[in-house]
Amino acid sequence: EPEVTQTPSHQVTQMGQEVILRCVPISNHLYFYWYRQILGQKVEFLVSFYNNEISEKSEIFDDQFSVERPDGSNFTLKIRSTKLEDSAMYFCASRPDRGNSPLHFGNGTRLTVT
Amino acid sequence: AQSVTQLGSHVSVSEGALVLLRCNYSSSVPPYLFWYVQYPNQGLQLLLKYTSAATLVKGINGFEAEFKKSETSFHLTKPSAHMSDAAEYFCAVSDRDNQGGKLIFGQGTELSVKP
Repeated sequence: EPEVTQTPSHQVTQMGQEVILRCVPISNHLYFYWYRQILGQKVEFLVSFYNNEISEKSEIFDDQFSVERPDGSNFTLKIRSTKLEDSAMYFCASRPDRGNSPLHFGNGTRLTVT
Repeated sequence: AQSVTQLGSHVSVSEGALVLLRCNYSSSVPPYLFWYVQYPNQGLQLLLKYTSAATLVKGINGFEAEFKKSETSFHLTKPSAHMSDAAEYFCAVSDRDNQGGKLIFGQGTELSVKP
């Protein structure tokens, strides 16, 4: 069964550095998402992306965050200047259409900011 | 605004016993409801979803959930727990306008299964 793949599985970065988290959604999917889970807290919606533009974003998704689909297969989340509080598990998800088809999640990237 | 509350951050059952994981939601409009499971070091996997068809929804691995509008609940059950069911379970809600894209998650319930 096709899967959403995320790389790396664990990323350690220093505060203030830029980090790019990478995702390869399922190939025929059109809607893409990033969620994050800070340790011990709920899984939170960050952003949704369709047709090469952001459809919706949460309050968390401020100017230091950006998303891109650079080559038709990858879907990236960039954090420009990381803060300690950005440490979390970041999940990418995709789905084929806007109906009630469920999200397919990747295994996540654990980001540790030191 | 929508929200989800999962009662009990940790539930422990014996192998073969009934599993009951509780989820209550708050939504001003009829919602879509989901249960996801997360095994260690893995992503979130959909167990089942409610999207306004039958109120009793059957999912994978023998799990089912019943949508009760009067109680604003969507509890997850399994008649007989198996060791392999040990995982974290998340209830989530989405409004129909969003059609299940933006999910609001509960805080999760960790299920332990004792031999």
